[in-house]
Amino acid sequence: GQNIDQPTEMTATEGAIVQINCTYQTSGFNGLFWYQQHAGEAPTFLSYNVLDGLEEKGRFSSFLSRSKGYSYLLLKELQMKDSASYLCAVTDSNYQLIWGAGTKLIIKP
Amino acid sequence: GAVVSQHPSWVICKSGTSVKIECRSLDFQATTMFWYRQFPKQSLMLMATSNEGSKATYEQGVEKDKFLINHASLTLSTLTVTSAHPEDSSFYICSARGEGEAYEQYFGPGTRLTVT
Repeated sequence: GQNIDQPTEMTATEGAIVQINCTYQTSGFNGLFWYQQHAGEAPTFLSYNVLDGLEEKGRFSSFLSRSKGYSYLLLKELQMKDSASYLCAVTDSNYQLIWGAGTKLIIKP
Repeated sequence: GAVVSQHPSWVICKSGTSVKIECRSLDFQATTMFWYRQFPKQSLMLMATSNEGSKATYEQGVEKDKFLINHASLTLSTLTVTSAHPEDSSFYICSARGEGEAYEQYFGPGTRLTVT
């Protein structure tokens, strides 16, 4: 079956760094997405990785290892507005998005 | 660019009635649209995939006669929840993918449905 695992909840301090991990087992692989979703809102695109390595975009970076079926989202200089759920999603061989359950990130002052 | 709108943003209806949700791509042609449902504190669940001009493909467990999807044009898809029940209360989100795009989906803002 297809499976994506990420922690249910994480807590971090404002100004710090947090890493949210995602492991996946899917039928085929055509890329991995990270989305941010604030409560009551639709997801917004953060990053896309299809090749191994680190993609940096401002305070957010995303890493992919296809051989390990593993990705992480790294958030630096955390701000209170970063409190949200972070969704990992993988595009399978049919270009369908398989979603993880999301990681709720709580930022404390 | 790549803006997707949904209407209404929230709706309350009575049990047994039907409600229609519209999803529009405002500045691009969406060859494929996706409908998701999200219950509180849960992840997105894909309900169906629709391609313009053809019948929608429903995910296992989603009743096609209850959730009617129409993708009549390259900029509009509609989801009609028929004979709504309180358990259909959820957050419904559409997303759209443009022609030639292999991966990225653009999400609408979502519609909060409450069935009383």
